Amino acid sequence: TQLLEQSPQFLSIQEGENLTVYCNSSSVFSSLQWYRQEPGEGPVLLVTVVTGGEVKKLKRLTFQFGDARKDSSLHITAAQPGDTGLYLCAGAKTGTASKLTFGTGTRLQVTL
Amino acid sequence: GAGVSQSPSNKVTEKGKDVELRCDPISGHTALYWYRQSLGQGLEFLIYFQGNSAPDKSGLPSDRFSAERTGGSVSTLTIQRTQQEDSAVYLCASSSYKGEKLFFGSGTQLSVL
Repeated sequence: TQLLEQSPQFLSIQEGENLTVYCNSSSVFSSLQWYRQEPGEGPVLLVTVVTGGEVKKLKRLTFQFGDARKDSSLHITAAQPGDTGLYLCAGAKTGTASKLTFGTGTRLQVTL
Repeated sequence: GAGVSQSPSNKVTEKGKDVELRCDPISGHTALYWYRQSLGQGLEFLIYFQGNSAPDKSGLPSDRFSAERTGGSVSTLTIQRTQQEDSAVYLCASSSYKGEKLFFGSGTQLSVL
């Protein structure tokens, strides 16, 4: 059973465009992380959000945790080819922070 | 080393053979995780070690899968009698404490023919 659904699954855009990736669940999470993975490499943590309604910014990336802590979004402004990769959200449930549940992934391709 | 090291990076085996995958975590990290990733999709939790505590094996898909962690450092994931559906990338991660930032290795691409 996949607890975290990401949308869209695939996204191909041109450099300079904006985009939003969604991570949705019917379950409540104590915290949520976003990772980016490039081919042949392991995922790399981008951000962790822990408070409902929290917004974090990392340069051109804006992350938001839903008020009910069931969903999250990642917004990229003025995408660049270097943003290309697989974006994964991962949720930790209260009391089981050791076992992250990963989302289905969003594959982003940014072309010139 | 500076990061999580996994070996081999690629493994091709025949159906029915046993395989061992190795993970060297970041020095000093007490937590170690194994995940499986199929065809560039999301990660599936397999097993988690934290210090000297009993491992959380709740994600192992069958009794053909086992893992151990010796001396609180290096871990080996063993798959017995491999099946074609075992083909995937096996990722290892470590962290300084559970729930904190995970550092992933580059993974082992396992192909079962």
